[in-house]
Amino acid sequence: KAGVTQTPRYLIKTRGQQVTLSCSPISGHRSVSWYQQTPGQGLQFLFEYFSETQRNKGNFPGRFSGRQFSNSRSEMNVSTLELGDSALYLCASHRSGAGEAFFGQGTRLTVV
Amino acid sequence: AQRVTQPEKLLSVFKGAPVELKCNYSYSGSPELFWYVQYSRQRLQLLLRHISRESIKGFTADLNKGETSFHLKKPFAQEEDSAMYYCALRVNAGNNRKLIWGLGTSLAVNP
Repeated sequence: KAGVTQTPRYLIKTRGQQVTLSCSPISGHRSVSWYQQTPGQGLQFLFEYFSETQRNKGNFPGRFSGRQFSNSRSEMNVSTLELGDSALYLCASHRSGAGEAFFGQGTRLTVV
Repeated sequence: AQRVTQPEKLLSVFKGAPVELKCNYSYSGSPELFWYVQYSRQRLQLLLRHISRESIKGFTADLNKGETSFHLKKPFAQEEDSAMYYCALRVNAGNNRKLIWGLGTSLAVNP
């Protein structure tokens, strides 16, 4: 069974730009969660999608948004990038809500 | 408030020494707790969950509801145990459930 796939693996963007990250969950998993991981803040929950609906949302500004498609693939978008958005963005898929989380390898975003 | 606290950002031990990574939680409901591990250049992955009461790679963790703790222990640390460890709490959120994460503890096992 293929694992969680995140693309791209690395991104460099400039301040003010916007970015879209993609996550393909494990086949059969309908729940996808997104996290921001930084050395200082650890793993911070962004949002969770289940059957194309956002079920939970973390404490991030509205510049961070996401969506999920009918095939359970998910995208997250960050608009008007700031230097502080530089982080590793992780996606996790679950068979059901908050079951065991299977993580992707992440997208390393650098904002310059 | 629902919260997971891992008080140590970094824990350094020598090979063969016992290791304990602390995790405390705050939750008024019935807790379900997990330990996840991230080895260098690898994905974050589940290490163990309190429900299964199993030992994985020599690690065990016991849920202590009185002390609201779920500390991860291993009697003899190995160099390959060096990794980032996260404690997570599953809570009810309305009709859904979500995971609350600690900030993680970086374990360094020195030769």
